[in-house]
Amino acid sequence: KQEVTQIPAALSVPEGENLVLNCSFTDSAIYNLQWFRQDPGKGLTSLLLIQSSQREQTSGRLNASLDKSSGRSTLYIAASQPGDSATYLCALDTDKLIFGTGTRLQVFP
Amino acid sequence: DTEVTQTPKHLVMGMTNKKSLKCEQHMGHRAMYWYKQKAKKPPELMFVYSYEKLSINESVPSRFSPECPNSSLLNLHLHALQPEDSALYLCASSQDVIFVEQYFGPGTRLTVT
Repeated sequence: KQEVTQIPAALSVPEGENLVLNCSFTDSAIYNLQWFRQDPGKGLTSLLLIQSSQREQTSGRLNASLDKSSGRSTLYIAASQPGDSATYLCALDTDKLIFGTGTRLQVFP
Repeated sequence: DTEVTQTPKHLVMGMTNKKSLKCEQHMGHRAMYWYKQKAKKPPELMFVYSYEKLSINESVPSRFSPECPNSSLLNLHLHALQPEDSALYLCASSQDVIFVEQYFGPGTRLTVT
């Protein structure tokens, strides 16, 4: 059974810091990996999608990498801002999306 | 337009009520999904529709009944729910069932009293 773990579970940092969020999974047989952000009580916003044949994707201040052999993905956030405060979820696409446990991020001014 | 809409935003219902949640997308996507999310937990898949046919039912109790009237609409009919069914219900859609990005709606916050 695929298990998806995100570390750290919570993170509080001052504005301007560069951040790394981690996602680990146990089964490398995935189609792709998707990173989402979720604001409290809201839906999910897709940030980046990495196909299984790719190693990374970039969008603005966000960069996500995928290493299937080690069962890891990282989301790098450059120059963090208070508006980045949210819960970040990774999700593995096998025959369905399997979500990680999430990282709650707070960026304070 | 990359928007998935859900109505209502909030719903309070008694255990004997019948209500429905509605989800709509106009992106031409052929796969649509219902997820349930409890507080501080990740979303859990409930149902998947592919080309308007139910393709996955994650052993969801029969008090939840999905319906896909056409390729743009997805409903979730609720009947005789329990207080533990209170959660955020999320709808999503994607171009196809696998290999592609899923787009989520804002959710319906359901409270069962």
